[in-house]
Amino acid sequence: AQTVTQSQPEMSVQEAETVTLSCTYDTSESNYYLFWYKQPPSRQMILVIRQEAYKQQNATENRFSVNFQKAAKSFSLKISDSQLGDTAMYFCAFMKQESNYQLIWGAGTKLIIKP
Amino acid sequence: DAGVIQSPRHEVTEMGQEVTLRCKPISGHDYLFWYRQTMMRGLELLIYFNNNVPIDDSGMPEDRFSAKMPNASFSTLKIQPSEPRDSAVYFCASSFGGYQPQHFGDGTRLSIL
Repeated sequence: AQTVTQSQPEMSVQEAETVTLSCTYDTSESNYYLFWYKQPPSRQMILVIRQEAYKQQNATENRFSVNFQKAAKSFSLKISDSQLGDTAMYFCAFMKQESNYQLIWGAGTKLIIKP
Repeated sequence: DAGVIQSPRHEVTEMGQEVTLRCKPISGHDYLFWYRQTMMRGLELLIYFNNNVPIDDSGMPEDRFSAKMPNASFSTLKIQPSEPRDSAVYFCASSFGGYQPQHFGDGTRLSIL
């Protein structure tokens, strides 16, 4: 069975700093998808970034980028120039190809951006 | 474009009452998912639909839970009778294609007293 591990329950950085959130996963599959979702205090789940396992190039979305290491089964999220609005829970999620489209979720990392 | 719309945003009711949660997916999306989020168990997939047809309901906790999707623009999740342990945030999400990112609604916070 697939599992997703986020080893940092909580992190705190100063505004404008760069922060990296870690995520590792366990799977025997070769084709799959990885996601980072953000859940601010408003409770909404917001897609941050998506990565297809067959793509070697790391996905980026503005200030958000990932470091995808397929062999190491690692999928970390880097937030550059952090902003107060980045304060949220961040969830890493895994979906295998040819599945029932079920997302396997990590436990989340609470990120606090301090002014 | 409008996102996934859920109602109500909050629901407080007494044990034993019927609860109905509603969801309007993004227009054109062919997959709809219902999730439950609790502190203890995190996010759990309850059921998902493809083209209005329930495909996998293995996550539905028990017979008290039922979900329907009568058309492409509306789905309901019903709990009857409700119990305090059903208290959670319930999310609806939709996607265009099963492997595409799921877009979530704002969730319904359900409290059963």
